[in-house]
Amino acid sequence: DSGVTQTPKHLITATGQRVTLRCSPRSGDLSVYWYQQSLDQGLQFLIQYYNGEERAKGNILERFSAQQFPDLHSELNLSSLELGDSALYFCASSRTGTWEYNEQFFGPGTRLTVL
Amino acid sequence: AQSVTQLDSHVSVSEGTPVLLRCNYSSSYSPSLFWYVQHPNKGLQLLLKYTSAATLVKGINGFEAEFKKSETSFHLTKPSAHMSDAAEYFCVVSEGSERGATNKLIFGTGTLLAVQP
Repeated sequence: DSGVTQTPKHLITATGQRVTLRCSPRSGDLSVYWYQQSLDQGLQFLIQYYNGEERAKGNILERFSAQQFPDLHSELNLSSLELGDSALYFCASSRTGTWEYNEQFFGPGTRLTVL
Repeated sequence: AQSVTQLDSHVSVSEGTPVLLRCNYSSSYSPSLFWYVQHPNKGLQLLLKYTSAATLVKGINGFEAEFKKSETSFHLTKPSAHMSDAAEYFCVVSEGSERGATNKLIFGTGTLLAVQP
């Protein structure tokens, strides 16, 4: 158990809908990262937050957004869902947001299926 | 830009024989490198990390990796495979190796390790 929690574990929804994925980082970690794992794209970085502020963006679609709240939990919002958004979404956390102490711990993931 | 290349998409070994999973990296700076493992329907678990302290890095479950700058390699090894080692293994570089950059992870395409009885 990494100490990172994600809810829900599974999510099944229809095209055009909007969903919210939630992540709680390990105790003491200030930075949260979101990754997407799909068969065709592999594991890709989406976005990073550090202490409530966006730190870096990766291959995140405009239909997707995220935020980190004062209690450091984070939410990833996916809207206007398409079949291709079906994937496993991971959240990770680390102590800081930079290269020092840069070990990231991953949650169990949320499997999103868009029908 | 930093990247990693996993040279084998599938590796099959017999239980009790050595494991070698190959990874080459590309980095402008001294990189931070990791190996993560993903068991079926599970999350990602950190096996080991290299951050320039020592070139031979020992990880969990008997795995180790050697950083070779001259060969730009970071291969993962284990002397004796166990059935429970069957999983997908990812070689990863941190963009945070570049001073001032963020800490996003760049994943290789993965190597699926099968262990035969």
